[in-house]
Amino acid sequence: ILNVEQSPQSLHVQEGDSTNFTCSFPSSNFYALHWYRWETAKSPEALFVMTLNGDEKKKGRISATLNTKEGYSYLYIKGSQPEDSATYLCASKISSGSARQLTFGSGTQLTVLP
Amino acid sequence: DVKVTQSSRYLVKRTGEKVFLECVQDMDHENMFWYRQDPGLGLRLIYFSYDVKMKEKGDIPEGYSVSREKKERFSLILESASTNQTSMYLCASGEGTGELFFGEGSRLTVL
Repeated sequence: ILNVEQSPQSLHVQEGDSTNFTCSFPSSNFYALHWYRWETAKSPEALFVMTLNGDEKKKGRISATLNTKEGYSYLYIKGSQPEDSATYLCASKISSGSARQLTFGSGTQLTVLP
Repeated sequence: DVKVTQSSRYLVKRTGEKVFLECVQDMDHENMFWYRQDPGLGLRLIYFSYDVKMKEKGDIPEGYSVSREKKERFSLILESASTNQTSMYLCASGEGTGELFFGEGSRLTVL
C-alpha cells in the first residue's frame, strides 16, 4: 500500500487569505495524482488529475503543482471564500497497478471564516 | 449531469444483521469502487469491479462482499454487521485511470 501524506490535517483561514497545502507521495512508479474537494453532505468532486512532472493546473482561484521527482504536490487557493470550506483529498496512482491502485491521503480540512 | 447514486444516506443496523448498500451510476463506466472513510484515515478501498461479474479485493475486504450483476449497479454486502464496520461508505465509478465520480456516501451505524 502506498503512503500518501497530506498536511496540514486541518486549518482555519480568514476570508480573503490565500492558503496552500501539501500532498506527498512515493515518487517511484508514479503515474497520476488526483485532487478532490469534499464539501460536507456532498460528494467528493475531482479538481485536477495531473500526470507530468512540472504540471500546473488552474480552476478559478484554485491551482495545483506537481513534482514527481521529489514526490509532492501543492494545492493553492487564492483569496479564500467561505464556500471553499471543505476537505481536500489527494490520491496517487502508481504505473504498475490496475485502476484500483489509487491511494488516498487522509485529507486537509479547510475552514474559511467570514 | 453525471450521477452516482447511493441507495441510503443513513442506516442504523444491529450487530449480526445483513446489510446491503447499493450504488448506481449512469455514465456507462467500466470501473466501480467501494471505499470507507473513517476519521483521520484516507479513503480505503474495500472492493473494486472492472466489469460485470468481475471483482477484485481492495485493501480492507474482510467482512465484506460485493455483487455486480449489471454494469450500472455495484452492491456492497455486510454479511454480519459488526460495530467496527460503523463508517461512511462511498461508492465511485470511473474509466481507466481518469477521475472518479463519487456518490454522496452512506453513513452506517452498527449498534
